[in-house]
Amino acid sequence: AQTVTQSQPEMSVQEAETVTLSCTYDTSENNYYLFWYKQPPSRQMILVIRQEAYKQQNATENRFSVNFQKAAKSFSLKISDSQLGDTAMYFCAFMGGTDSWGKLQFGAGTQVVVTP
Amino acid sequence: EAGVVQSPRYKIIEKKQPVAFWCNPISGHNTLYWYLQNLGQGPELLIRYENEEAVDDSQLPKDRFSAERLKGVDSTLKIQPAELGDSAVYLCASSQTSGRPVNEQFFGPGTRLTVL
Repeated sequence: AQTVTQSQPEMSVQEAETVTLSCTYDTSENNYYLFWYKQPPSRQMILVIRQEAYKQQNATENRFSVNFQKAAKSFSLKISDSQLGDTAMYFCAFMGGTDSWGKLQFGAGTQVVVTP
Repeated sequence: EAGVVQSPRYKIIEKKQPVAFWCNPISGHNTLYWYLQNLGQGPELLIRYENEEAVDDSQLPKDRFSAERLKGVDSTLKIQPAELGDSAVYLCASSQTSGRPVNEQFFGPGTRLTVL
C-alpha cells in the first residue's frame, strides 16, 4: 500500500517570497505519478503540477516547480514570487500500481498563508 | 465549458435520515470519481466509475452507502441512514479515462454534509 506524508501542517510566507512544501511517499511501484493540488476556501481542488516518475527532469509550471528525488521518495513543491491568491491548502497526491490507476492517494495537506 | 457540477453545496440533516448527492461530470468524461474529505484531511476515494460500471468500490461502506451512474453520465451518491461520523465534504471528480497516459482529474466544488 502506498502512503503520502506531508509533515508541515501550515506554512506562512510573505508576498513575493518563496516557500517550499515537503512531501514524502512510500511505494514499491516503479511506474507512478505524483501531483500537487491546490484547494482554496471554495473547496474546488485544482491541479497545480504533475510529475511522471520515469522522467528525471523536474516539472515546472510558471511560478510552481517541484524537486523530485525518486530514490529518496521525496516530492517537494516550490512556490516562487508568492501571491495572495496562492493562499490555500496544498495536497500532495500519488497515483500508481497495477490495481490503482485512476486512484489518487492524498496526503493530509499543508495550509499555505500568504501575507502582504 | 462547464466544469464538474455538484449539488447541493451544503446539506444539514439529522442522524438516521437519508441523504443524496448529485454530480454531473464534464461532458465527454468517461470516468467519474466520488471522494470523501474529512475535516483537516486529504480526500479518499470512495468509488470510481468507468462509464456506468463501478470498477473500484473497495472503499465504499456498502452497508449504508450506495452509488449509481445510470447511462454513464450523471451520478448519485446516497447515504441511508446517515450517522454523525458521515459529516464531511463529498467531492466528485471526472476525467477522460482512468488508464494510461494519466488524464487530469477535474474536481467539483463538493457537498458539505453536516449530520446533527
